[in-house]
Amino acid sequence: DIVMTQTPLSLPVTLGQPASISCRSSQSLVHSDGNTYVNWLQQRPGQPPRLLIYKLSNRFSGVPDRFSGSGAGTDFTLKISRVEAEDVGVYYCMQATQSPYTFGQGTKLEIK
Amino acid sequence: EVQLVESGGGLVQPGGSLRLSCAASGFTFSAYWMHWVRQVPGRGLLWVSRITTDGTTTDADSVKGRFTISRDNAKNTLDLQMNSLRAEDTAVYYCVRNGGLGAFDIWGHGTMVTVSS
Repeated sequence: DIVMTQTPLSLPVTLGQPASISCRSSQSLVHSDGNTYVNWLQQRPGQPPRLLIYKLSNRFSGVPDRFSGSGAGTDFTLKISRVEAEDVGVYYCMQATQSPYTFGQGTKLEIK
Repeated sequence: EVQLVESGGGLVQPGGSLRLSCAASGFTFSAYWMHWVRQVPGRGLLWVSRITTDGTTTDADSVKGRFTISRDNAKNTLDLQMNSLRAEDTAVYYCVRNGGLGAFDIWGHGTMVTVSS
């Protein structure tokens, strides 16, 4: 199974400041079709996960443009350009390139 | 509105069975792959099972032979039959749509399954 490793696991951020979460996979996530199926999900307290980014760098409908995804091969990053109070929660990377689909451990973002 | 609503969770004894259901609305259910993902409260996410549009299924090793995912496109429902339940199956179970391009794009609110004597 592909292991997804996120860093950091805890991320205190000042409002208005940028934030970055890294995710590394145990093997390349480039699919045989040439695409890289990496998702980033946000889970606010008491809520189900919500899709932010799919296929490495595509923002899902309704997601603010302060969220961006990037990376290649085995290294991926979620960036928030300016953190807002509503961004508090746990962020997960996940790979949908190969079954079984796997998730990172989660990064808890909190406001300093 | 695109929506997934899970039901069927509850308390069950070890070795028992439970059937979860997910009602889909607001989209053409038959056109999408669907998944079950679970989460122990306060912990991370774990993919459980997938069913394609043509009914092909794939399961995580931890549930293989015990859980069965199925769909009824006429009723717009996704089911998860869970047998031989163990304490480690205790979790919130989410029904998730695969919106294409690997996007796990729509999540239900989840249903809690507790396996305990």
